[in-house]
Amino acid sequence: AQSVTQLDSHVSVSEGTPVLLRCNYSSSYSPSLFWYVQHPNKGLQLLLKYTSAATLVKGINGFEAEFKKSETSFHLTKPSAHMSDAAEYFCAVSGGGADGLTFGKGTHLIIQP
Amino acid sequence: SAVISQKPSRDICQRGTSLTIQCQVDSQVTMMFWYRQQPGQSLTLIATANQGSEATYESGFVIDKFPISRPNLTFSTLTVSNMSPEDSSIYLCSVGQVGAGELFFGEGSRLTVL
Repeated sequence: AQSVTQLDSHVSVSEGTPVLLRCNYSSSYSPSLFWYVQHPNKGLQLLLKYTSAATLVKGINGFEAEFKKSETSFHLTKPSAHMSDAAEYFCAVSGGGADGLTFGKGTHLIIQP
Repeated sequence: SAVISQKPSRDICQRGTSLTIQCQVDSQVTMMFWYRQQPGQSLTLIATANQGSEATYESGFVIDKFPISRPNLTFSTLTVSNMSPEDSSIYLCSVGQVGAGELFFGEGSRLTVL
């Protein structure tokens, strides 16, 4: 069985400052990991994914994440926050095969002007 | 990626009634899933919609309450039966290909039960 823990339910940063959203995972397998973003009243959009290739993964909108097996972490970062980044962010893990994804509880990102 | 259309996008329903949500994909996909997102919460997997056979339900979800059909590789329906206010949620269809890992999501169907 696999699970993810998003360590912060809310993160607030000022526009132009770095963003760090934390995610730890647990998996019996070599996991695939994902970050999704959900803007208000919208579905989920895939930001980036890790599937056992490069440990530093670059995604859309300037986001990136680093897979650290020793720390069982997959934290999401962005060098400079933009007002449009305000949204809910979900970390997810897949055990592979034909199973669905298991999602964390989400982190609400607030961008202060 | 796939383009996923869900209908209805939102609805307000009366207690005790049933509602069927449709999910149409613009390409053939091997995997289709239905998720529930309760207000302010994360996503919970309801079931895997298997083409040509019965859906596979997660713990806590049963076929009588959430019957699912998947007649082909591009279409699925989820019915929420005998609704109560606790069923007020966003229901999301998601699709993917075996081996690819990531899932793509529709915009969701926002259901309010009075």
